[in-house]
Amino acid sequence: EDQVTQSPEALRLQEGESSSLNCSYTVSGLRGLFWYRQDPGKGPEFLFTLYSAGEEKEKERLKATLTKKESFLHITAPKPEDSATYLCAVRVTGNQFYFGTGTSLTVIP
Amino acid sequence: NAGVTQTPKFQVLKTGQSMTLQCAQDMNHEYMSWYRQDPGMGLRLIHYSVGAGITDQGEVPNGYNVSRSTTEDFPLRLLSAAPSQTSVYFCASSYRNSPEAFFGQGTRLTVV
Repeated sequence: EDQVTQSPEALRLQEGESSSLNCSYTVSGLRGLFWYRQDPGKGPEFLFTLYSAGEEKEKERLKATLTKKESFLHITAPKPEDSATYLCAVRVTGNQFYFGTGTSLTVIP
Repeated sequence: NAGVTQTPKFQVLKTGQSMTLQCAQDMNHEYMSWYRQDPGMGLRLIHYSVGAGITDQGEVPNGYNVSRSTTEDFPLRLLSAAPSQTSVYFCASSYRNSPEAFFGQGTRLTVV
């Protein structure tokens, strides 16, 4: 059964304290792994797509990496405005997308 | 540029009522989809469309109908609302071969 699991469920960081969010997946026919950011009361906002193991993408303080079984979203020196829920999703054969339940990140000034 | 527009933002229905959630995009995207988001469950795909006149079921399609008569619009119909359909509904669109999906602001639906 296709599955996406994110950990931790919630993470509190001090401003400037770097950390990583995890997304592990068990799917057949992976056609991409996606990271989104979701602010309260808003729809998800696209961050990255990764297609193959070893691939990395960066955007400001965020860096996403991919292995054959999991992806990490590394947050370097986070700021309070990075507080949000970060969602991981995988696209499998047949245009099916599966989302994880997200990691709620709070960055304390 | 409006992007993806969902209406209404909030709705309360009584059990058994029917309604249509509207979704419109102005980016000429071929691919459109509907998700529901429930606490502890993540986003789940309800229905999707790869172009006008073409729709298909996602992970949780029961109780919902869709149609795609134009590229711009992708309405979601609840035929007979049930309390289990209380959720936040998101519409998304993208170019067919693009990984970047654009989401609407969501519709918070409560069925009592």
